[in-house]
Amino acid sequence: GAGVSQTPSNKVTEKGKYVELRCDPISGHTALYWYRQSLGQGPEFLIYFQGTGAADDSGLPNDRFFAVRPEGSVSTLKIQRTERGDSAVYLCASSPLDRGVHEQFFGPGTRLTVL
Amino acid sequence: DQQVKQNSPSLSVQEGRISILNCDYTNSMFDYFLWYKKYPAEGPTFLISISSIKDKNEDGRFTVFLNKSAKHLSLHIVPSQPGDSAVYFCAASVQGGSEKLVFGKGTKLTVNP
Repeated sequence: GAGVSQTPSNKVTEKGKYVELRCDPISGHTALYWYRQSLGQGPEFLIYFQGTGAADDSGLPNDRFFAVRPEGSVSTLKIQRTERGDSAVYLCASSPLDRGVHEQFFGPGTRLTVL
Repeated sequence: DQQVKQNSPSLSVQEGRISILNCDYTNSMFDYFLWYKKYPAEGPTFLISISSIKDKNEDGRFTVFLNKSAKHLSLHIVPSQPGDSAVYFCAASVQGGSEKLVFGKGTKLTVNP
């Protein structure tokens, strides 16, 4: 079946602008995660959704970052007033956590560049 | 403060030989461990996992060993193939709750023909 998809694959924006990054998880996966990967680092957790609710947002760096998953499927990560330090690859992952599966399946990521 | 550490940024092996990638962790609450492989411009791909109730898990050419007392795990690839060349990430989580993954910085494996 189809894997996790993310759009856009690349996003270039200017400092101070607003951006939205989209994630389509694997169908039927109730758990959805956002991670951020900076150059030379491993992915870092941002936020976790179980269904429609954000069950753990402890990884969001500040209040410029927000994410939604209104219907329990597609999720959007929103970044306000972007800064150059926000440049990274933003990864989305999904998992059928409610079925006792602990592995997460990742999308290809969105590379965000803030000029 | 890194909770999951991969101290070797790179590793080079000959085709057909064994590749051993190492990972250490500091958080004793971690009870589930995963290895992911990542090619350039792609997302991480799940490879193999192990629960803390086990000390070994095998899947084809890939075996993961867990030493809980040393807080150390390793991934063995035998025999190594050129297509295995990628960045390998070790990750850990606590089962129950969000199960968010904590990743190491990765080890770049190069398998030479």
